[in-house]
Amino acid sequence: ELKVEQNPLFLSMQEGKNYTIYCNYSTTSDRLYWYRQDPGKSLESLFVLLSNGAVKQEGRLMASLDTKARLSTLHITAAVHDLSATYFCAVSAYSGAGSYQLTFGKGTKLSVIP
Amino acid sequence: DSGVTQTPKHLITATGQRVTLRCSPRSGDLSVYWYQQSLDQGLQFLIQYYNGEERAKGNILERFSAQQFPDLHSELNLSSLELGDSALYFCASSVRPSGALNSYEQYFGPGTRLTVT
Repeated sequence: ELKVEQNPLFLSMQEGKNYTIYCNYSTTSDRLYWYRQDPGKSLESLFVLLSNGAVKQEGRLMASLDTKARLSTLHITAAVHDLSATYFCAVSAYSGAGSYQLTFGKGTKLSVIP
Repeated sequence: DSGVTQTPKHLITATGQRVTLRCSPRSGDLSVYWYQQSLDQGLQFLIQYYNGEERAKGNILERFSAQQFPDLHSELNLSSLELGDSALYFCASSVRPSGALNSYEQYFGPGTRLTVT
């Protein structure tokens, strides 16, 4: 059974600071996704990482994937209040019949304090 | 806006009742996935349909069932509802594999918030 662990689960950071969220997973996978969720809202896709060494950046967020270490990171640079949300990583595993199933981490609730 | 629609947005019902949640995938997407999000269980995969056929099952209770219709919309049926079924239920859709490397990215709908009293 695929397990996905995120840490930290809660993160309170000051505006302007940098921090990294970690996502470890238990079995081989070469597809990893990062989503953002605002309270009571849906999940918004942030990054899709498809290969070892993949790095993607959008604004103050940068995601990377190390498939050998089974680790993805989401790095936040110079945080601003608008980044306050819950961030989920999800790992894709083949579930047969040409289908892939996503297993989500528990999410990291990020609060950016002025 | 992901292009995935779900109805209703909110649903309040009593224990023991049955409800149906509806999902329309993005135009062209053949796969539909259902997820349950609750405070204690987190975000859990329930079931996947692809072009009308069940493809994968996750942690779906026997009291729950789903189907995907020829027009590709999907319905999730929840019966004999219990207090613990109160949650946000999301539908997601993804594109059909095209032969090239496919991201299988899933696009999530706005969710249906179910409250069982």
